[in-house]
Amino acid sequence: AQSVTQPDIHITVSEGASLELRCNYSYGATPYLFWYVQSPGQGLQLLLKYFSGDTLVQGIKGFEAEFKRSQSSFNLRKPSVHWSDAAEYFCAVGYLNAGGTSYGKLTFGQGTILTVHP
Amino acid sequence: NAGVTQTPKFRILKIGQSMTLQCTQDMNHNYMYWYRQDPGMGLKLIYYSVGAGITDKGEVPNGYNVSRSTTEDFPLRLELAAPSQTSVYFCASSYLTGGDTFGSGTRLTVV
Repeated sequence: AQSVTQPDIHITVSEGASLELRCNYSYGATPYLFWYVQSPGQGLQLLLKYFSGDTLVQGIKGFEAEFKRSQSSFNLRKPSVHWSDAAEYFCAVGYLNAGGTSYGKLTFGQGTILTVHP
Repeated sequence: NAGVTQTPKFRILKIGQSMTLQCTQDMNHNYMYWYRQDPGMGLKLIYYSVGAGITDKGEVPNGYNVSRSTTEDFPLRLELAAPSQTSVYFCASSYLTGGDTFGSGTRLTVV
C-alpha cells in the first residue's frame, strides 16, 4: 500500500528565511504527488502537483517542489517565507492505473505545522 | 464561482442519530471525494465517485454511505452516529485526478 511520511510535525522559521518541508512516499509504481496548505478552520488549498515531466514543479504563492525518484521524495521549498505562510502543509500521493488515469485515491501525510516568527 | 460548497459547517449529533452532509460543486468535475480529518492524522478517504451513478469505498468507509445521482451533488450519509465519527469532514472534487478543490469542511461532534 502507498504511504506518505512527513518527518517534521512542526517547523519554526523566521520571516524572510528559506523553507524546506520534507515529504517521502512509498509506492512501487509511478506516483503523482501533491502539496496542499491548510489555514486554521479552512479547507485545503492546492499549492502544486507533479504528474510527469520536469521534476521541478512551480506552484502558487512562490512555492516549488522537486520530485526525486531515487530518494522517493517530494520536498516543498520557498526561498523567503512570509508571515502569511504560517499554516499546516500536507503532502499527498496517488497513482496512475494501467490505463494511465486515476481515481484520485490520494494518501495524505500527517501534516507539518509551519510557524513563522517576525 | 462557488467551487465546492459544504453544508452544514457545524453540527452536534447524539449517539444513534443520523444526518446527511451535503456537498455541491459547480465546476462540472466528474471526480468527487469525501475525506475525514482527525488531529495529527492527515486526511483519510471515506468514499469517492468517478461520475454520476458510480461510487466506491475509500480507506475508512464503515459507518457511512454515499450516493451520486447528479454530477454536482455528492452527499455523505451517517446512519447511526458514533463518537468515533467526531471529526472534520471535507468534500473535494477534481476533473481528472486528485482532489484539486476542497470545500471548507463540516465539523461534526457526536455526543
